[in-house]
Amino acid sequence: DIQMTQSPSSLSASVGDRVTITCRASQSINNYLNWYQQKPGKAPKLLISAASSLQSGVPSRFSGSRSGTDFTLTISSLQPEDFATYYCQHSYSFSWTFGQGTKVEI
Amino acid sequence: QVQLVESGGGVVQPGGSLRLSCAASGFTFSSSGMHWVRQAPGKGLEWVAFIRNDGSNKYYADSVKGRFTISRDNFKNTLYLQMNSLRAEDTAVYYCAKVREVPGSPFDFWGQGTLVTVSS
Repeated sequence: DIQMTQSPSSLSASVGDRVTITCRASQSINNYLNWYQQKPGKAPKLLISAASSLQSGVPSRFSGSRSGTDFTLTISSLQPEDFATYYCQHSYSFSWTFGQGTKVEI
Repeated sequence: QVQLVESGGGVVQPGGSLRLSCAASGFTFSSSGMHWVRQAPGKGLEWVAFIRNDGSNKYYADSVKGRFTISRDNFKNTLYLQMNSLRAEDTAVYYCAKVREVPGSPFDFWGQGTLVTVSS
């Protein structure tokens, strides 16, 4: 099975900060990497698919990139509503795996 | 608008069974693959099972293989998860999520979840 290693597990940041979260796949997954945002008590929400494709309605301060098997989610200027937990997930094969999650705190 | 509404959660004893349902509306259910994903209290997301749009193929996480069965009724626009031989470690919020029937499709919409508690 493909393993997804996400880091950091948590981070503290301030409004306006640039935040970067990384996810490494244990093998090549091409661009089949998605990012989700989850707020407490809510269902996850798809932010970015195919490594860098921003979903409709998602603010442009969110972006995704890929370098080999390393993937990055960047929030260019953190806003109060962005404090949440973020998960990466691969959709490369018939064993979808999530990263461990990154909790973004004030 | 797209809606996925899970139901059927509750408290069950270890070794017991439970059937979850996910009622879909606002999209063409019969054209969408469907997943179950769970989240134990305070933990991360764990993929559980997937079924193709026509029910022809099903896939399971190793942790539930042989105990859980995913199924669907495209006439009723409903997804199911039959859970048998439940264990304490199956305690979680269970979400259903839809995908498009294309390779690598992300989970583009999720239900709000239903809580399953396995406890004596």
